[in-house]
Amino acid sequence: GDSVTQMEGPVTLSEEAFLTINCTYTATGYPSLFWYVQYPGEGLQLLLKATKADDKGSNKGFEATYRKETTSFHLEKGSVQVSDSAVYFCALTSGGSNYKLTFGKGTLLTVNP
Amino acid sequence: DSGVTQTPKHLITATGQRVTLRCSPRSGDLSVYWYQQSLDQGLQFLIQYYNGEERAKGNILERFSAQQFPDLHSELNLSSLELGDSALYFCASTPGTGDPYNEQFFGPGTRLTVL
Repeated sequence: GDSVTQMEGPVTLSEEAFLTINCTYTATGYPSLFWYVQYPGEGLQLLLKATKADDKGSNKGFEATYRKETTSFHLEKGSVQVSDSAVYFCALTSGGSNYKLTFGKGTLLTVNP
Repeated sequence: DSGVTQTPKHLITATGQRVTLRCSPRSGDLSVYWYQQSLDQGLQFLIQYYNGEERAKGNILERFSAQQFPDLHSELNLSSLELGDSALYFCASTPGTGDPYNEQFFGPGTRLTVL
C-alpha cells in the first residue's frame, strides 16, 4: 500500500537558516505529492503540491521537487522565519479509485529569533 | 479561516460512552473527509463522503460510523469509547468532484478526551 516517510523531528533552526525536511514515498501508479502545514491550534493547510515527475511546487518561499527516480519530495526554504514554526506533513494520493490522502507522521519545526 | 466548521471544539467523556462530532464543509463543496490525529498513529484517514454517499473508507473502526446529510453537513459517531480513542478529529472538504488531487480545506478539529 501507499506510505510516506518523513524525517523525524523536531527540527530547531535560527531565523534565516536554510531548511530541508526530507520526504520519501512508496506508492502504486503515479501519485500526486503534497506538503501540508499545521500552525499551532489550527487545522492543516495546503502549502504546495506536484502532480507529476520533475514538477516543482512552490509557495511562500518553500519549494519541493517531485523526484520519481528517488521517490522523494523534499521540502526546502532558503531563509526561514519565526512565523514558519509549525508542523509540516508530506502526503500523497494515488488517485484512481483511491480517494484518500496518505500522510507522513509530520515534522515539528521551531524557528528561534 | 478555511470555511470548514467543526463542533464542538472540545469534548470530554468517559469510556463506554457515545459521542457525535459535526462538520459543515465550505459553501459549495460536496465532499467531506474525516481524519483522526493522535500522537502514536499520526494523521489517519477515516472515511470520505461525496454528496451524501460514502466514497472511500480508511482505517475506521467498526465502533465508528459517519453520514452526510442532504444539507451536506456530516457527522462522525463514535461509540463504546476507549481511552485510545482520545485524539484530534479533523474534517476536510474539497471542491469539485471531491478528487483528492484537489486541495483539502481542513476545519479546526474537535479534541476528544476519553477518561
